[in-house]
Amino acid sequence: TQLLEQSPQFLSIQEGENLTVYCNSSSVFSSLQWYRQEPGEGPVLLVTVVTGGEVKKLKRLTFQFGDARKDSSLHITAAQTGDTGLYLCAGEPAGGGADGLTFGKGTHLIIQP
Amino acid sequence: ETGVTQTPRHLVMGMTNKKSLKCEQHLGHNAMYWYKQSAKKPLELMFVYSLEERVENNSVPSRFSPECPNSSHLFLHLHTLQPEDSALYLCASSQDHAGYTGELFFGEGSRLTVL
Repeated sequence: TQLLEQSPQFLSIQEGENLTVYCNSSSVFSSLQWYRQEPGEGPVLLVTVVTGGEVKKLKRLTFQFGDARKDSSLHITAAQTGDTGLYLCAGEPAGGGADGLTFGKGTHLIIQP
Repeated sequence: ETGVTQTPRHLVMGMTNKKSLKCEQHLGHNAMYWYKQSAKKPLELMFVYSLEERVENNSVPSRFSPECPNSSHLFLHLHTLQPEDSALYLCASSQDHAGYTGELFFGEGSRLTVL
């Protein structure tokens, strides 16, 4: 079973601060996705990273895929209250398979005004 | 119409009840999924349908019974559930499921409470 460990589990910071959350595994993934889930809603895809070492930017969010394709990070610059939510990483196992995506438990992020 | 819609949004049922969750996708996707989301646990894949054929059943108890009458609709029939089955049940769809899932489009979820 391929596991994805996300850290921290909970994070509460002030608006304007920077933060980084992590998604780690001992397994290799062909791609890795980041979703954000707001209260009362389903997860929504933010980005997919595919190539080892890849960096993608989405406004104030920067996503990085590890060189070995086993880990990823999400960095938020100058956090805003609208960034509050549950951030989930999900990996597509190398070689595919019927099991589909492996999800982490998520990081609960609260941005205080 | 939003991409993936789920009904009901909230459901409270006793352990002897029979109820169903409904999911409808308006994206023209070929694959549909049921996930269970519980506190402090990763999203758990329950069932996968690809082109209306079930391709995955992750050792889900038989008190959960999926049905996919066509590529746009997915049901989860619930019967004699246990309190530990209380969770958020998420439906999702993707373009295909042929060894590669790609982006999942989720519904808003059905919050189930079993008394």
